[in-house]
Amino acid sequence: GAVVSQHPSRVICKSGTSVKIECRSLDFQATTMFWYRQFPKQSLMLMATSNEGSKATYEQGVEKDKFLINHASLTLSTLTVTSAHPEDSSFYICSARAPTGGYNEQFFGPGTRLTVL
Amino acid sequence: GENVEQHPSTLSVQEGDSAVIKCTYSDSASNYFPWYKQELGKRPQLIIDIRSNVGEKKDQRIAVTLNKTAKHFSLHITETQPEDSAVYFCAASRPGGGNKLTFGTGTQLKVEL
Repeated sequence: GAVVSQHPSRVICKSGTSVKIECRSLDFQATTMFWYRQFPKQSLMLMATSNEGSKATYEQGVEKDKFLINHASLTLSTLTVTSAHPEDSSFYICSARAPTGGYNEQFFGPGTRLTVL
Repeated sequence: GENVEQHPSTLSVQEGDSAVIKCTYSDSASNYFPWYKQELGKRPQLIIDIRSNVGEKKDQRIAVTLNKTAKHFSLHITETQPEDSAVYFCAASRPGGGNKLTFGTGTQLKVEL
């Protein structure tokens, strides 16, 4: 199946700093990638839909100026958490929709555990 | 927008028994319904999915049923094993709008020896 990687897998940062998370599709081109946030013992909540070459579409309640998304190529999307605060600590997971994956199937990255001190 | 409800939130079964998890969705235009298994700290893994033109799909010990009229779908795991213990999420997606997934709230399944 299609492989999606994420980097870093774990990051600890100080409050007020920015953190960049990369999501890559390794063996396919992904015109659409998705970013999710998952708090402990909760479900995956979609933050935004990232489209190659265009602006991301953010879900209601997600601050686009705080969570910057860039999808500069068909294999890479980045999420930057700006001025991170402890409440931003979460598990961030990306996914990519493969054009040959059939229907709406999404392939998930391994996730990034963000801890803001 | 789409709303997906999932029940139960926790489920404990004895090894070898069956487990059933149920989900309902609100958007009648939804046409793709995947089920994911997530172990602690890991990525969600697709275990089975069903499309709206099919009422049932089976893959070894796992089956999914879909009732479009009632807008609900269910995951059935037979002959459960300890390694089936995990959190299971249902999801729904509709055409257009980026084909984004809306997830259910999850079910913690524990298979006891």
